[in-house]
Amino acid sequence: DAGVIQSPRHEVTEMGQEVTLRCKPISGHDYLFWYRQTMMRGLELLIYFNNNVPIDDSGMPEDRFSAKMPNASFSTLKIQPSEPRDSAVYFCASSFRAPIYTEQFFGPGTRLTVL
Amino acid sequence: KQEVTQIPAALSVPEGENLVLNCSFTDSAIYNLQWFRQDPGKGLTSLLLIQSSQREQTSGRLNASLDKSSGRSTLYIAASQPGDSATYLCAVPINQAGTALIFGKGTTLSVSS
Repeated sequence: DAGVIQSPRHEVTEMGQEVTLRCKPISGHDYLFWYRQTMMRGLELLIYFNNNVPIDDSGMPEDRFSAKMPNASFSTLKIQPSEPRDSAVYFCASSFRAPIYTEQFFGPGTRLTVL
Repeated sequence: KQEVTQIPAALSVPEGENLVLNCSFTDSAIYNLQWFRQDPGKGLTSLLLIQSSQREQTSGRLNASLDKSSGRSTLYIAASQPGDSATYLCAVPINQAGTALIFGKGTTLSVSS
């Protein structure tokens, strides 16, 4: 398996633009997670899905952030409009079962820079 | 609310040294603890997963221990090599439902040759 795939790997955009980050989880995994990593706050959970259904989005910072999972093999995280403080590395992760039972596998991340 | 702390934030050692990285958590009612490695500009790689019923897990030169009662885990690296240089993070399930992870901020290890 190719592991968790994220695209793009790097994104540079201007404030106010819409940004869409993409993730393909490992085949067969039924949990998908979006995290954000910054120097100040470390890794923070934004939202997670189970069987394509959003379960907990309490970590989504504002209404400017939205996430979807239209099928088991694809998820998007959208920021509209983007702001400089959104600059961070965004990771997607997946697991076969809930993390209390099994490992979580991470993608390579998308480094977002908002100018 | 579960909190995870890793001390020190950074560590520099000469090649060949054995070393220990520390991770502490405030709520001892955890199901497991996972150690990750992150190389600069890269994603996280899972190193070891210790279930709450286990006290140790080993993989090659790595050994992770878990003491739930004291809220601590250690990652022992034997005979360190320059290739071990990276940031090491520990994580536990975020709550009793265990549906996501909460991470420490990591220890950045530098091994010099």
